[in-house]
Amino acid sequence: DGGITQSPKYLFRKEGQNVTLSCEQNLNHDAMYWYRQDPGQGLRLIYYSQIVNDFQKGDIAEGYSVSREKKESFPLTVTSAQKNPTAFYLCASSPGTGEFYGYTFGSGTRLTVV
Amino acid sequence: GENVEQHPSTLSVQEGDSAVIKCTYSDSASNYFPWYKQELGKRPQLIIDIRSNVGEKKDQRIAVTLNKTAKHFSLHITETQPEDSAVYFCAANEGRTDSWGKLQFGAGTQVVVTP
Repeated sequence: DGGITQSPKYLFRKEGQNVTLSCEQNLNHDAMYWYRQDPGQGLRLIYYSQIVNDFQKGDIAEGYSVSREKKESFPLTVTSAQKNPTAFYLCASSPGTGEFYGYTFGSGTRLTVV
Repeated sequence: GENVEQHPSTLSVQEGDSAVIKCTYSDSASNYFPWYKQELGKRPQLIIDIRSNVGEKKDQRIAVTLNKTAKHFSLHITETQPEDSAVYFCAANEGRTDSWGKLQFGAGTQVVVTP
């Protein structure tokens, strides 16, 4: 999967539940990102982390939380405070230093509220 | 922060014709402009990128042009083929040092190539 793995591929959430999306990379990248994709709206940044134990809010962080305890892992929790969580979630990584060459994306998790 | 606008939202072309997608950005400090192709249900894949010290870059049937003064950049696909059908996203990085690697994406262009 190109060095960055997201799981699960499909996830169903009931109203009021928290769910956690997994993102793991073996590219030795320092920086990791979470984006949300809705039809017709492109990719919007939820959270990003440039180094272990540090992360920053993106443009649409409300209702989401993250942690970065290990370099390889950047899980995203969709909390019950996120009122419209149905979307396609993409995790990405980049080296974090030196010249920027864009992202390596994971294959995505499609979250549906039932 | 950066704001990226992309046009058109959909583009239908006959096989063999050219396709052009245009993007504008707002942050004058942006210096990296990638283009991604996303097929249905799959991850975006980088197809070409350009840096602010270059005005044009070409890779086989794909080319990107950048006008820093006007803050716009474009993707050109020549001799389109059915496998070019996908959603294409432009993006621009945020120029501040403390937001290294942050990309703002355009809303995407659905390209349909008809045989």
